[in-house]
Amino acid sequence: AQTVTQSQPEMSVQEAETVTLSCTYDTSENNYYLFWYKQPPSRQMILVIRQEAYKQQNATENRFSVNFQKAAKSFSLKISDSQLGDTAMYFCAFMKVGDYKLSFGAGTTVTVRA
Amino acid sequence: ETGVTQTPRHLVMGMTNKKSLKCEQHLGHNAMYWYKQSAKKPLELMFVYNFKEQTENNSVPSRFSPECPNSSHLFLHLHTLQPEDSALYLCASSQDLTGGLETQYFGPGTRLLVL
Repeated sequence: AQTVTQSQPEMSVQEAETVTLSCTYDTSENNYYLFWYKQPPSRQMILVIRQEAYKQQNATENRFSVNFQKAAKSFSLKISDSQLGDTAMYFCAFMKVGDYKLSFGAGTTVTVRA
Repeated sequence: ETGVTQTPRHLVMGMTNKKSLKCEQHLGHNAMYWYKQSAKKPLELMFVYNFKEQTENNSVPSRFSPECPNSSHLFLHLHTLQPEDSALYLCASSQDLTGGLETQYFGPGTRLLVL
């Protein structure tokens, strides 16, 4: 089974600044996908960004980018120019290629301060 | 909201009650999921249905009983629950079970409190 660890239960960031969320995972697989999901206080969980393990280039979606370090089994999320609407819980998730099951971390609560 | 809806959004029930959670997806997907989200814990996959057939039961106690009458609807029937079952129950759907970058779409959840 895969284990996903998010070591930061809570983080706070000033509006317009940058925050980085850490995620590490444990797997013996070589081919897999990694995801970051956002769950705002309204609780609708949405996909923020995803990465294929065979791609060395880090994924970017507007103000969200990842730092994928395959050898270190690390997949951090950077939120640039933080906005109040970024306040949410963020979950890191892992999926093996050919599988449908997502293994989630425990989440990091991000609060953006005005 | 996305194309996955859940009702009710909040539910308080006693341990002897019977209630049902409903999930509906309007995305034309064929696979549907129930997850349990407890505070400070990773999401736990409970059940998976694909084309109305149950493909996964993740050792869930029998006091939770899923039902999938068609690919658009998923129910979770609850009876004789325990206080530790209090949690946020999330429904999700995906096109099928091939996984990959085709992500799962989540509903807003039902916040359940068992007294």
